[in-house]
Amino acid sequence: AQKITQTQPGMFVQEKEAVTLDCTYDTSDQSYGLFWYKQPSSGEMIFLIYQGSYDEQNATEGRYSLNFQKARKSANLVISASQLGDSAMYFCAILYAGKSTFGDGTTLTVKP
Amino acid sequence: EAQVTQNPRYLITVTGKKLTVTCSQNMNHEYMSWYRQDPGLGLRQIYYSMNVEVTDKGDVPEGYKVSRKEKRNFPLILESPSPNQTSLYFCASSLVGGGTGYEQYFGPGTRLTVT
Repeated sequence: AQKITQTQPGMFVQEKEAVTLDCTYDTSDQSYGLFWYKQPSSGEMIFLIYQGSYDEQNATEGRYSLNFQKARKSANLVISASQLGDSAMYFCAILYAGKSTFGDGTTLTVKP
Repeated sequence: EAQVTQNPRYLITVTGKKLTVTCSQNMNHEYMSWYRQDPGLGLRQIYYSMNVEVTDKGDVPEGYKVSRKEKRNFPLILESPSPNQTSLYFCASSLVGGGTGYEQYFGPGTRLTVT
């Protein structure tokens, strides 16, 4: 069984600062994918970044980077230079062979 | 435009009245999946499909049925809806679901209320 834990229900960050959203996972699979999605207040789900379990380099996509520590089973999302539009719910998810599990999410609020 | 569409977007129904929520994607994706999202919780997978005629249970399949007769469509069927199925439902698709997967493209969501 897969499990995702996001321990920060809510986070605040000042505009233009960096913020780290935590994600730990548990799986018995050796091969898996880790994903982060953003859900603004409008409700849609937006893909941000992906990390494969065998990828040695941490994934980056623009202002998003994934701090992947396989031994610790953590996949934290780092958002650099926060913008007001980054205020949203963020979900970490794991997927292997079609089975997908999401965490309960972290609400990020960016303060001007 | 590449997209996943869901219909209806909003539905209020009564207990026991069968309903179908349609999902369609135009990206020729092999993998499709249904999720439900309840307040304060993340998405929970209901069913997924790796390809046509191949479906499998997710974490919360009770009370739901699916079928995948065509690659582009993956309807979610509630044969006898109950109030505990009141939720926000998302359909998603991705290129393939095998192995470590690819990013999923989500539909806009269907808000279902069962009274």
